[in-house]
Amino acid sequence: GESVGLHLPTLSVQEGDNSIINCAYSNSASDYFIWYKQESGKGPQFIIDIRSNMDKRQGQRVTVLLNKTVKHLSLQIAATQPGDSAVYFCAEKERDYGGATNKLIFGTGTLLAVQP
Amino acid sequence: DSGVTQTPKHLITATGQRVTLRCSPRSGDLSVYWYQQSLDQGLQFLIQYYNGEERAKGNILERFSAQQFPDLHSELNLSSLELGDSALYFCASSVAGHYNSPLHFGNGTRLTVT
Repeated sequence: GESVGLHLPTLSVQEGDNSIINCAYSNSASDYFIWYKQESGKGPQFIIDIRSNMDKRQGQRVTVLLNKTVKHLSLQIAATQPGDSAVYFCAEKERDYGGATNKLIFGTGTLLAVQP
Repeated sequence: DSGVTQTPKHLITATGQRVTLRCSPRSGDLSVYWYQQSLDQGLQFLIQYYNGEERAKGNILERFSAQQFPDLHSELNLSSLELGDSALYFCASSVAGHYNSPLHFGNGTRLTVT
């Protein structure tokens, strides 16, 4: 089946720099996308989401960009801090006309390492 | 804290045994999802329940089963365990009736099969 994949398995950045984590998805039927952060020993933590009728959404220090033309999703983290070090997953949900499920398909993850 | 509670945190058992993992969703959430996370497979969707009924099924093995009870807590039963079943098992819940709402995850149960 179709799946979500990440370009970079590891991203190393300096504290204070901006980080950009990329994700390619292959299912053109997906209409909802989420970024999660997972720290060691914890479950995935919701960061930000975006619906397919949008191309940009901003949160606190984070921005998600969606390019449906090339099926690409990115997460930008401003002024990256040591506490941002974690694995980041993108997840997609296929359009479900019956509204029956919010089942998410996850990418393989990117490890963000913030250097002090 | 996501509000999703999973017990136990750790479970060590032998091959061939059966275990039960438990999940309490966030207050007000009617949907519960189970995911398996292993090193070589990432986060894999297993099954979803909504208000006590099975709503969606992923690549869940026949040796695995789940249910959601009237109080909305859910249990995932794993039987005839094999070494390859060692993984983190996550439960998530979502807001009832909200299409395209995020899943909120618990901190998982780490299962080790020896």
